[in-house]
Amino acid sequence: AQTVTQSQPEMSVQEAETVTLSCTYDTSESDYYLFWYKQPPSRQMILVIRQEAYKQQNATENRFSVNFQKAAKSFSLKISDSQLGDAAMYFCAYREYGNKLVFGAGTILRVKS
Amino acid sequence: DTAVSQTPKYLVTQMGNDKSIKCEQNLGHDTMYWYKQDSKKFLKIMFSYNNKELIINETVPNRFSPKSPDKAHLNLHINSLELGDSAVYFCASSQGGGIKSYEQYFGPGTRLTVT
Repeated sequence: AQTVTQSQPEMSVQEAETVTLSCTYDTSESDYYLFWYKQPPSRQMILVIRQEAYKQQNATENRFSVNFQKAAKSFSLKISDSQLGDAAMYFCAYREYGNKLVFGAGTILRVKS
Repeated sequence: DTAVSQTPKYLVTQMGNDKSIKCEQNLGHDTMYWYKQDSKKFLKIMFSYNNKELIINETVPNRFSPKSPDKAHLNLHINSLELGDSAVYFCASSQGGGIKSYEQYFGPGTRLTVT
């Protein structure tokens, strides 16, 4: 079974600064999808960004971008110009065949003003 | 309009009771899911239905029974509730359940507390 590892239980960033959240995964598949979800204190799961493994170009959504290293099985999330509203738990997820999402343990992001 | 809705949002009940959580999506998706988030915030899939057909059934106690009356609804019934069932249960939906990638949209979650 695929596994997803987020090695940073907690991260802090100063408002307006940049922070990178790490994620590694284990798979024998060549074609798959990766996601970052955000869970604020409201507990709503919000999709932040997705990456198709067959695409070499890193996905970008406004202030959020990923660094996808397929050979290293690494999928980090970079948040630029951090805002107070970015404070949340961030989950990295791998999509298995059948559309089952396998989640990492999550990283709590704190944003300091 | 809420895309994926769950009722109730909070549920407090005693051990041994039977309870249901309802989920509805108005996105026209054909695949729905139940996930469990435990006290450590770890999220794990429980079930998945595609067009009312069960396609993913993880190792979940058979006290948990999903029911999909139509492709817009996926309910979760739990019999003989135990303390360890306390968690947040998320419903999600997506279009497609095969190899193509479609994002899963999550409901607001139901916090179940078993006393």
